[in-house]
Amino acid sequence: AQTVTQSQPEMSVQEAETVTLSCTYDTSESDYYLFWYKQPPSRQMILVIRQEAYKQQNATENRFSVNFQKAAKSFSLKISDSQLGDAAMYFCAYRSNTNAGKSTFGDGTTLTVKP
Amino acid sequence: EAGVAQSPRYKIIEKRQSVAFWCNPISGHATLYWYQQILGQGPKLLIQFQNNGVVDDSQLPKDRFSAERLKGVDSTLKIQPAKLEDSAVYLCASSLSVAGSYEQYFGPGTRLTVT
Repeated sequence: AQTVTQSQPEMSVQEAETVTLSCTYDTSESDYYLFWYKQPPSRQMILVIRQEAYKQQNATENRFSVNFQKAAKSFSLKISDSQLGDAAMYFCAYRSNTNAGKSTFGDGTTLTVKP
Repeated sequence: EAGVAQSPRYKIIEKRQSVAFWCNPISGHATLYWYQQILGQGPKLLIQFQNNGVVDDSQLPKDRFSAERLKGVDSTLKIQPAKLEDSAVYLCASSLSVAGSYEQYFGPGTRLTVT
């Protein structure tokens, strides 16, 4: 079974600075996808960024980028130029592309942005 | 495009009572997920449907939980009888398919309190 571990329950960052959220996962599969989701206090979860495991290039979406280290099974999220609206809980998620697309989520990191 | 709809948004019941949650996914999305999110934890997959067939229900407590997806569209999740430990937010999500890098779109959730 796949597991996803987010070792930082809480993180804080000063507005306009950069923060990195950590995620590690365990799997024996080679075909999978990784996602970061954001869950603001209103609780509707939305996608931040995704990474295909077969791609070596790290995904980037505006101020959000990932550092994907497949051999180390590490998938960290970097938020640059942090904004107050980035304050939320962030979840790292693994989705198998072979095992019926089964998804596994980490327990999340609560990000606080200080003005 | 309308998002994933869930109702009710909040529900308070006593232990041993029954409760049902409803989800309407995004039109055209073949895959539907039900998650249980206990406060401070990540979403835990309860059941996954592909159209109207069950793909994965390995973590569904089948002695008290049941779910169905009528005609491959709407879905209901039922708990009977409820226990105190069922207090959680129940999230419904949908995606175009289990294969590929398709993201999951989440509903606002139903917050269940069992007293």
